[in-house]
Amino acid sequence: GDSVTQMEGPVTLSEEAFLTINCTYTATGYPSLFWYVQYPGEGLQLLLKATKADDKGSNKGFEATYRKETTSFHLEKGSVQVSDSAVYFCALSDNGRGSTLGRLYFGRGTQLTVWP
Amino acid sequence: NAGVTQTPKFQVLKTGQSMTLQCAQDMNHEYMSWYRQDPGMGLRLIHYSVGAGITDQGEVPNGYNVSRSTTEDFPLRLLSAAPSQTSVYFCASSYRRDRGGTEAFFGQGTRLTVV
Repeated sequence: GDSVTQMEGPVTLSEEAFLTINCTYTATGYPSLFWYVQYPGEGLQLLLKATKADDKGSNKGFEATYRKETTSFHLEKGSVQVSDSAVYFCALSDNGRGSTLGRLYFGRGTQLTVWP
Repeated sequence: NAGVTQTPKFQVLKTGQSMTLQCAQDMNHEYMSWYRQDPGMGLRLIHYSVGAGITDQGEVPNGYNVSRSTTEDFPLRLLSAAPSQTSVYFCASSYRRDRGGTEAFFGQGTRLTVV
């Protein structure tokens, strides 16, 4: 079945450091891929997405490229800020037919802490 | 535009009590779902619905019931609360695939403690 494997945390970085959070997936079809972010005490918010192979999603300085050949969707940011401290979730959406249409599969989340 | 609204935000129950977590969305989304979030476990799917009158089980459905009588509402019922159901619960809704990758919109969550 479909699944997402995400780099375990926690990740601790100094401000302006480079960030990579690894994410790989298993899917039978052609899923859409997402990164969600959860700030303390809040719900999940969509950070970026990619709907087909080689698409690059980007938002707020974060980027991720949908790599079908390596089944990966790694999250990167060139220079993190204290305000980026949050939990990051990689997810895939089943784009197949039938009752599973629209279902999201999440990784376990990666806690990022950025120190000034 | 309110998006996805969950109530209550916090709840304490005694073991054996029942309650309903409310979820409403105003985006006319076909797909709605309930997740629970536990430390180190990510989000696990409890139940989901692809439209009014249609529901199905997710990964961890035991102890929970759902119904979908309208497009807007998707309540989650705890039948007889147990300490193992202490968790943060999130409701989410999304469009179908043909509207662009089924991005999900989440509510703010309900923090439930069962004592």
